[in-house]
Amino acid sequence: NAGVTQTPKFRVLKTGQSMTLLCAQDMNHEYMYWYRQDPGMGLRLIHYSVGEGTTAKGEVPDGYNVSRLKKQNFLLGLESAAPSQTSVYFCASSYGLAGDTDTQYFGPGTRLTVL
Amino acid sequence: AQSVTQPDIHITVSEGASLELRCNYSYGATPYLFWYVQSPGQGLQLLLKYFSGDTLVQGIKGFEAEFKRSQSSFNLRKPSVHWSDAAEYFCAVGNTGNQFYFGTGTSLTVIP
Repeated sequence: NAGVTQTPKFRVLKTGQSMTLLCAQDMNHEYMYWYRQDPGMGLRLIHYSVGEGTTAKGEVPDGYNVSRLKKQNFLLGLESAAPSQTSVYFCASSYGLAGDTDTQYFGPGTRLTVL
Repeated sequence: AQSVTQPDIHITVSEGASLELRCNYSYGATPYLFWYVQSPGQGLQLLLKYFSGDTLVQGIKGFEAEFKRSQSSFNLRKPSVHWSDAAEYFCAVGNTGNQFYFGTGTSLTVIP
């Protein structure tokens, strides 16, 4: 049981390049999330998904797109990277029902640098 | 709108001393409250959570937190800190729509 995994762990991009971050979970969770973490800002929600085939905007969605074609995978895309998107990106998942089971499980993070 | 405030950016304590990390939240209904710990270069690990019931919750690694509705607080405590507790600590509030809001974190340094 790997939990939540993220690929890649590190990446350096030039301004204007595109890339996709992959998040995978093997816990059969309905909900998945993408956050970015910046110094002094905590974690901010970019996009999230409440189930296969659904996505929704979070607090800071601009410049990012997401897709949830399979329940276990949640992809975060940057179409034209900008230096302001230099950050550490965390994926998380949760069971999806209110109550005791509603805890988020986090991946190890992806450190992205945009030059 | 929901929000979380962690007033202390950085705290330094001596090993063996007690610890209290502050967290205040803003949420209209009964909140779901969480404390996470993040070691350098790692993801976030859940320490404890409060959904309902007993307002004093026990977590892993000897941590506990107390929910005080009147103060909109959910402070994290540990009676005796170990050097391995040095990390970043995040408080978070979740709503029934499964959206979570995080504080900006408190960095803990433990001196021998």
